[in-house]
Amino acid sequence: DGGITQSPKYLFRKEGQNVTLSCEQNLNHDAMYWYRQDPGQGLRLIYYSQIVNDFQKGDIAEGYSVSREKKESFPLTVTSAQKNPTAFYLCASSQQGAGNTIYFGEGSWLTVV
Amino acid sequence: GEDVEQSLFLSVREGDSSVINCTYTDSSSTYLYWYKQEPGAGLQLLTYIFSNMDMKQDQRLTVLLNKKDKHLSLRIADTQTGDSAIYFCACKPGSARQLTFGSGTQLTVLP
Repeated sequence: DGGITQSPKYLFRKEGQNVTLSCEQNLNHDAMYWYRQDPGQGLRLIYYSQIVNDFQKGDIAEGYSVSREKKESFPLTVTSAQKNPTAFYLCASSQQGAGNTIYFGEGSWLTVV
Repeated sequence: GEDVEQSLFLSVREGDSSVINCTYTDSSSTYLYWYKQEPGAGLQLLTYIFSNMDMKQDQRLTVLLNKKDKHLSLRIADTQTGDSAIYFCACKPGSARQLTFGSGTQLTVLP
């Protein structure tokens, strides 16, 4: 089945540790995105990538890093520099030229303990 | 930048119609979207409308766009308990490469 797969679904991190969230898509989409969602709030863009080996900061990139070595993969690393990382993280992808309609994965919950 | 506003909560009785409203600020928005999010899940694309359209209907869903007032609405006919979720409005300004999302409207369907 075509879609966007995020893993793990739930992740616990100790303070001071880096963690990496995986995102894989088999939709052959050019663009991929990472959003953060806090309870009762909308989505805030962390990073996005329009093509392989290129990515741009979104509105809240501080404390996060990404890579785009393959078209289908866009992992997000939450570093120890992120002061309040506990949140729901959503990966998404879109095809250029199709109105940029964005499709989402099922999300990953990150909790700092 | 673009601002997208939604009311936070809406409650309706099962079988009634629901109307979820959204306002945006950038008149160059070319595509406008409605997404549904169930608890603990990602966002599911419900429907979208191009800025050159006033209305789009898809089964129980009707989207109305008033470009003059920069107002978008989503009407759900014969609302069911399974429609209880958070609904997000999103807009793509003409100059932007990404969507701007509203804060979401929590729809509660009462039996």
